[in-house]
Amino acid sequence: GENVEQHPSTLSVQEGDSAVIKCTYSDSASNYFPWYKQELGKRPQLIIDIRSNVGEKKDQRIAVTLNKTAKHFSLHITETQPEDSAVYFCAASSPTNFGNEKLTFGTGTRLTIIP
Amino acid sequence: EAQVTQNPRYLITVTGKKLTVTCSQNMNHEYMSWYRQDPGLGLRQIYYSMNVEVTDKGDVPEGYKVSRKEKRNFPLILESPSPNQTSLYFCASSLSSGAANYGYTFGSGTRLTVV
Repeated sequence: GENVEQHPSTLSVQEGDSAVIKCTYSDSASNYFPWYKQELGKRPQLIIDIRSNVGEKKDQRIAVTLNKTAKHFSLHITETQPEDSAVYFCAASSPTNFGNEKLTFGTGTRLTIIP
Repeated sequence: EAQVTQNPRYLITVTGKKLTVTCSQNMNHEYMSWYRQDPGLGLRQIYYSMNVEVTDKGDVPEGYKVSRKEKRNFPLILESPSPNQTSLYFCASSLSSGAANYGYTFGSGTRLTVV
């Protein structure tokens, strides 16, 4: 099955600087890569996603890049703000033998923005 | 408001006492899933359901049961809870069983402690 590795597990960034979180996946058939943000005590929420036919997607201060050849994708946050402090999860969706898709999550990155 | 509702939010129970965590969604989603979140391990899938009466095991199904008698409800049952099931549980739903096309909506979580 799919295996998703996420690095780093913790990341501290000065406010205003950029943050990058990287994930690798193992199943070349994976075709959808969402990112979730989980604030302290809250539920994970989808912040951005990318599909396998696209190399990069941007939404204001966040962007995601995908390298299908190398099987890795990254989340980029620019001009970081205190409200960006949270745990971020990457995920990869791959087809199963039963006709559905399975979403496999990375282990999470705790991002702390230092004022 | 479109949402996934989980109950209870917090639960402390004793080893062996059967319990049920309820999950209900009002978005007419086909796909529902249960995850547990543990430090350093990310979100691991317990069970999922592609539609009414269609359920299957995820990555960590041991000690859990589910049912999907109605489209909106997907309860998680622990017949004989043990301390290693102490965790934060999330229910999630998606429009279709093809998670590649749609992101997940998560419930607010249930923090379970088994003593």
